[in-house]
Amino acid sequence: EVQLVESGGVVVQPGGSLRLSCAASGFTFDDYAMHWVRQAPGKGLEWVSLISWDGGSTYYADSVKGRFTISRDNSKNSLYLQMNSLRAEDTALYYCAKSTIFGVEPPDYWGQGTLVTVSS
Amino acid sequence: QSVLTQPPSASGTPGQRVTISCSGSSSNIGSNYVYWYQQLPGTAPKLLIYRNNQRPSGVPDRFSGSKSGTSASLAISGLRSEDEADYYCAAWDDSLSGQVFGGGTKLTVL
Repeated sequence: EVQLVESGGVVVQPGGSLRLSCAASGFTFDDYAMHWVRQAPGKGLEWVSLISWDGGSTYYADSVKGRFTISRDNSKNSLYLQMNSLRAEDTALYYCAKSTIFGVEPPDYWGQGTLVTVSS
Repeated sequence: QSVLTQPPSASGTPGQRVTISCSGSSSNIGSNYVYWYQQLPGTAPKLLIYRNNQRPSGVPDRFSGSKSGTSASLAISGLRSEDEADYYCAAWDDSLSGQVFGGGTKLTVL
């Protein structure tokens, strides 16, 4: 059974930094690209970032480009999101999601999310 | 403003068939596969349809997807009260080099 467990969400001040983690199990982690997707309170889904199976290719939404960095450690079956220069509009539930075997396509499995609140 | 356009709401009575539309452009739906998700209140999204019209195992055949040109649709037949949820379409966008979502459609079962 695919399991994705996010952690690291906290309350942080504007301009601060945060690193989210996602622990994956139940599948061969280094066979799949991985996504981060976020959802602001009461709002729709917003794609944040994607990393290829080997970490060699990364993609970002314009809203986070230059501030967020996606990475992975295949030896630890883990996905990360380094978030810098945080803004109030980054407040959201952040989901880790597994891509399909087809690669750069939308995800199939999602974690339960970790909440990031940017507030002074 | 989402790149993919969905109606904000839809409704139907039990047993009815409802459809939810998703409109995009040549750089996303027109050249890539469409995925559909169901999000029940307080839960993570669940994949309903992948690659335009394929159902993952465990998804009832009451749910079906289609695509034509730069638009796609999700159809739900034999509507049930447990289908009341938010539904999202998604696709890769070649111009943005990123994934895009629709704004979501809230389905109410009357």
